[in-house]
Amino acid sequence: NAGVTQTPKFQVLKTGQSMTLQCAQDMNHEYMSWYRQDPGMGLRLIHYSVGAGITDQGEVPNGYNVSRSTTEDFPLRLLSAAPSQTSVYFCASNSPGNTIYFGEGSWLTVV
Amino acid sequence: DAKTTQPPSMDCAEGRAANLPCNHSTISGNEYVYWYRQIHSQGPQYIIHGLKNNETNEMASLIITEDRKSSTLILPHATLRDTAVYYCIVRSAHGSSNTGKLIFGQGTTLQVKP
Repeated sequence: NAGVTQTPKFQVLKTGQSMTLQCAQDMNHEYMSWYRQDPGMGLRLIHYSVGAGITDQGEVPNGYNVSRSTTEDFPLRLLSAAPSQTSVYFCASNSPGNTIYFGEGSWLTVV
Repeated sequence: DAKTTQPPSMDCAEGRAANLPCNHSTISGNEYVYWYRQIHSQGPQYIIHGLKNNETNEMASLIITEDRKSSTLILPHATLRDTAVYYCIVRSAHGSSNTGKLIFGQGTTLQVKP
């Protein structure tokens, strides 16, 4: 039982490049979500999903796409990276009404 | 989800109890109080949660006032490893509004000193 697994852990992108942050969970959780955390700030919700095929926007969705084709996976796509997207990204999952578990984070730098 | 107010920072001597306050004056009847902590930019770690009764687990105790407008997280014997940012969050645990969304504030940075 690995919990919530994020890859890659570190990534450097050039402005305008695209990439996908991967998130997988092995706890059969229905709900998954992506947060970003900027220096000295709390986490902010980007997108979330309440089940396969269902996604919705959070507080800061612009510049990001998500899809949920399986229960286990919830990838986050950056369409055209900008320096403002330099941040630490956390994926999370939970069952309805239960504790939310977080991954260890993905550090992204856009130059 | 209701918003919370926490002091930005606190110090605590190693071995002493750390008492972290949180105000959530707009909390509604079906909202729980959750506490998470984040160590060195790792993923947030769940500590404890409660509705209106005091709660205790192996990590901490949670004291919620009778009017539920504030709460205190207690780490009974703080160690250096408890140095972290502590987040107090209120959210619904049941019903359609529970979609796994958490609204984080800036939290309290707890520094445990030797």
